[in-house]
Amino acid sequence: SAVISQKPSRDICQRGTSLTIQCQVDSQVTMMFWYRQQPGQSLTLIATANQGSEATYESGFVIDKFPISRPNLTFSTLTVSNMSPEDSSIYLCSVEERPGSDYGYTFGSGTRLTVV
Amino acid sequence: ILNVEQSPQSLHVQEGDSTNFTCSFPSSNFYALHWYRWETAKSPEALFVMTLNGDEKKKGRISATLNTKEGYSYLYIKGSQPEDSATYLCAFGSNDYKLSFGAGTTVTVRA
Repeated sequence: SAVISQKPSRDICQRGTSLTIQCQVDSQVTMMFWYRQQPGQSLTLIATANQGSEATYESGFVIDKFPISRPNLTFSTLTVSNMSPEDSSIYLCSVEERPGSDYGYTFGSGTRLTVV
Repeated sequence: ILNVEQSPQSLHVQEGDSTNFTCSFPSSNFYALHWYRWETAKSPEALFVMTLNGDEKKKGRISATLNTKEGYSYLYIKGSQPEDSATYLCAFGSNDYKLSFGAGTTVTVRA
């Protein structure tokens, strides 16, 4: 199965600054997904990132706040911009290795972000 | 936004006991139901992907059932062990590859 390396694993950031999270996959995948889990809440999809096209954002998430890059089939970044304490969350990237199969999705180990 | 609910939110189990918990989801336009186990500081790990009404899947001491007509799935842990302590997430999978997660059931197994 695919292995995802996600960095950083955790960070404490000042409000008003930005943080870029990276995910590197050891195989080529078409779609990468970015999720957020705020304290006490469900994992929520932020956006879907396809190589060579603009990311598709879910309702409530905008590109100016969460710009995403997908330069190739193994790498993606999510930036959390102009952070506020409400952005304190766990951020996860995910891939579906075999679309349509019963294998499920593979996740990175997460970035635990605290904004102070 | 799809409404996926899990209950209970948390439970404590004595080592060796069996337990189960529920995931409810919209019964219309069903595509797939996923279960994941998420241990602290680790990646969520896929347990099952279920697509057929009446499906039952098993992985070691963990099994799951699916009722798509009434919109629920049960996850069972038989003979709980301390290593089963984790948060168990269910997710409703749609045909555009997106997952809608429940808030999870956190299981703590006491030795």
